[in-house]
Amino acid sequence: QVQLQESGPGLVKPSQTLSLTCTVSGGSISSGSYYWSWIRQPAGKGLEWIGRIYTSGSTNYNPSLKSRVTISVDTSKNQFSLKLSSVTAADTAVYYCASTPYDILTPGDWFDPWGQGTLVTVSS
Amino acid sequence: SYELTQPLSVSVALGQTARITCGGNNIGSKNVHWYQQKPGQAPVLVIYRDSNRPSGIPERFSGSNSGNTATLTISRAQAGDEADYYCQVWDSSTDVVFGGGTKLTVL
Repeated sequence: QVQLQESGPGLVKPSQTLSLTCTVSGGSISSGSYYWSWIRQPAGKGLEWIGRIYTSGSTNYNPSLKSRVTISVDTSKNQFSLKLSSVTAADTAVYYCASTPYDILTPGDWFDPWGQGTLVTVSS
Repeated sequence: SYELTQPLSVSVALGQTARITCGGNNIGSKNVHWYQQKPGQAPVLVIYRDSNRPSGIPERFSGSNSGNTATLTISRAQAGDEADYYCQVWDSSTDVVFGGGTKLTVL
């Protein structure tokens, strides 16, 4: 089974862009077998899906974040990335990357596995 | 938009059966997935597509889904089952939806 690992700055200033990378190991991101997603969780709160990308580069985003989110894939590095622009304190959260088995009929199927998560704090 | 409703907390005596519900409009027509999250850890999938257990998940974990309610059942509850549990569905209009989470306490 693939393993996922998030990386990126733990502190971002308000109004700037949050950038995170998820490195996939144990399998090829180009295999076509998975969708690749970002999910976040503010401290003490629930899970919020941010968006997904498929190997082809096709993306879907949470409508509440769509105007600020970009997810991309780098097949040469076996990584996919998240950019969230114009961040505020409300974007402070643990950010997870996760995979979903590919099924064109149900792109939002289960998430397994998840990365360990990385805390991003938005503060000046 | 589609919404999922979970109780904030559920308590169960050690060794007894815990049931955590996930309510949604006609949720029985959707595939429901369940995650366990312990403090400081990433969520772990415990049930997928209503009632299927991933490898490595004990048989004590089971799921059902009908009408407007999906249920995660944990039999013979253990202290190690204390965690937050989240349900999740995919809705063709809303995309991925998570429930608000339920804190399970084993007494």
